[in-house]
Amino acid sequence: GENVEQHPSTLSVQEGDSAVIKCTYSDSASNYFPWYKQELGKGPQLIIDIRSNVGEKKDQRIAVTLNKTAKHFSLHITETQPEDSAVYFCAARYSSASKIIFGSGTRLSIRP
Amino acid sequence: GAGVSQSPSNKVTEKGKDVELRCDPISGHTALYWYRQSLGQGLEFLIYFQGNSAPDKSGLPSDRFSAERTGGSVSTLTIQRTQQEDSAVYLCASRQPGRTYNEQFFGPGTRLTVL
Repeated sequence: GENVEQHPSTLSVQEGDSAVIKCTYSDSASNYFPWYKQELGKGPQLIIDIRSNVGEKKDQRIAVTLNKTAKHFSLHITETQPEDSAVYFCAARYSSASKIIFGSGTRLSIRP
Repeated sequence: GAGVSQSPSNKVTEKGKDVELRCDPISGHTALYWYRQSLGQGLEFLIYFQGNSAPDKSGLPSDRFSAERTGGSVSTLTIQRTQQEDSAVYLCASRQPGRTYNEQFFGPGTRLTVL
């Protein structure tokens, strides 16, 4: 069935270092992969997304990569800052459905 | 403009009681989604509305859970005979129609505690 796995569940990095979160998906028909950031007490907010016809997308300090063959996609945050501390969710949308399947989340902590 | 709003923000109820959670989507968004987020967990899909109809109810965990949407706008998620395992944050999201890749905009959620 539809499944998105996300690793790691927790990640602690030194301020200024890079953070990488990895996800895998099960359905090769997936064509849209958003990443959401959830701060404490708030709903998730989209930070970046990538479509299946693109291998990489970058927006300032955030980048996503997609390997369709391996069904892997990753979020890269460079030059991390304290405000990057949050829970990050990857997700995949299946072309045959309107719902988005979310990963289990990664709690990112930035150490000062 | 206004985002997705949900009410109440917090709800404490006793086991066995019924609860209603409300979602007001962004104006013009015909697609509406309900998710459940248990403590420290990911987002569990519950139900999806397109207009007033629900083509995908596959995530509703039991027949105690139901949802409706009227006028293509406000949606209500009802949980009957609540159980302690229903305690979670219930999130609503809406999406603009007509564009395949448009993002879902989430509300702040309703934190439900069943004692």
